[in-house]
Amino acid sequence: GAGVSQSPRYKVAKRGQDVALRCDPISGHVSLFWYQQALGQGPEFLTYFQNEAQLDKSGLPSDRFFAERPEGSVSTLKIQRTQQEDSAVYLCASSPRSDYHYEQYFGPGTRLTVT
Amino acid sequence: AQTVTQSQPEMSVQEAETVTLSCTYDTSESNYYLFWYKQPPSRQMILVIRQEAYKQQNATENRFSVNFQKAAKSFSLKISDSQLGDTAMYFCAFMKGAQKLVFGQGTRLTINP
Repeated sequence: GAGVSQSPRYKVAKRGQDVALRCDPISGHVSLFWYQQALGQGPEFLTYFQNEAQLDKSGLPSDRFFAERPEGSVSTLKIQRTQQEDSAVYLCASSPRSDYHYEQYFGPGTRLTVT
Repeated sequence: AQTVTQSQPEMSVQEAETVTLSCTYDTSESNYYLFWYKQPPSRQMILVIRQEAYKQQNATENRFSVNFQKAAKSFSLKISDSQLGDTAMYFCAFMKGAQKLVFGQGTRLTINP
């Protein structure tokens, strides 16, 4: 079946613009994660959804970052007033379970470049 | 908070050789999961192998195996008979229960022909 998809694959934004990154998880997967991966670094957790509920947003770096999953399927990560330090790859992962997430399936990521 | 440390930023070996990537972690938990992920240039994170902390037997997946030393909090990955397609970034990661993955900084592995 289809894996996790993300769009766009590449996004260039001028500093101060708003961007929206989309994640389509594997159909039926309950849990969805967003991670931020700076160049040359390991991914870092941003936020977690169980169905439509955002259960953990402790990793969001500022109030400019906002994520939603209104119908418990597709999720959107929005970054307002982008800054250069927001340049990174944004990875989405989904998991079929709500308790243990040892099966996380990753999408190909969106590379965001803020100029 | 849990931390994961990969002390080898880069490694390079010849095709068909065996290579071992190191990982240490810090946690006060008794039950958790450890992972090795592969990230090729396409950026897709691919699960290589997973180890449950309560299982003493080291996990193996074909050419990939781990050496899990719980007391030492060490979790190394051994790749046998390395292939050109193994060239990628490798990330060690930790997870407890229903929480997020915590990743190390990664090791860039190059397999030379």
